[in-house]
Amino acid sequence: EVQLVQSGAEVKKPGESLKISCKGSGYSFTSYWIGWVRQRPGKGLEWMGIIYTGDSVTRYSPSLEGQVTISADKSSSTAYLQWSSLKASDSAMYYCARRGVAGTYYYYGMDVWGQGTAVTVSS
Amino acid sequence: QSALTQPASVSGSPGQSITISCTGTSSDVGGYNYVSWYQQHPDKAPKLTIYDVSNRPSGVSNRFSGSKSGNTASLTISGLQAEDEADYYCSSYTSSDTYVFGTGTRVTVL
Repeated sequence: EVQLVQSGAEVKKPGESLKISCKGSGYSFTSYWIGWVRQRPGKGLEWMGIIYTGDSVTRYSPSLEGQVTISADKSSSTAYLQWSSLKASDSAMYYCARRGVAGTYYYYGMDVWGQGTAVTVSS
Repeated sequence: QSALTQPASVSGSPGQSITISCTGTSSDVGGYNYVSWYQQHPDKAPKLTIYDVSNRPSGVSNRFSGSKSGNTASLTISGLQAEDEADYYCSSYTSSDTYVFGTGTRVTVL
């Protein structure tokens, strides 16, 4: 079964660092792009960025570049999203998702999603 | 980049058809045939419903269809069913080599 399994919920204080994970299984991890999506409580989806796990080429949303870091570890089939200094406004559900493939064509949609990681930042 | 514009809510009776619009610019929706649509039920992860404007992933009902004209993409749900009640988001590839989501639409089945 193809799946993305994310790390568990986190509760942090402002200014702390955090790294959450997204482990892929059931497919060739290094042949796919993995994206990250933020959803604040009661709000819509926000695109954060995407990484090609084969060579770690990364693209960030212009509004979030510099605020987070996306990375991937091929050896463990895991993608990461990290913050060096959290803010209260980073409190949200974070989803990872895989860019889909039809045959050999990488289409522009995310076909497999993780279950989400809830991050709460509060003093 | 600004979020794509969707109506906040759309409603319909069972069996009817509804259409959700998604308006962007020539730098996103209008510039590429790379619009996707997602369905999200409460407290669940989004689910891909349409990719590349009008393509359905395997397993998605053929009651869902997508189209695009100029800077506006549309998702049509025909034969509306109770299980279609959810939030729907469009997304587009952009000229910044990244993606942008729409503002989201709550679909209510009356």
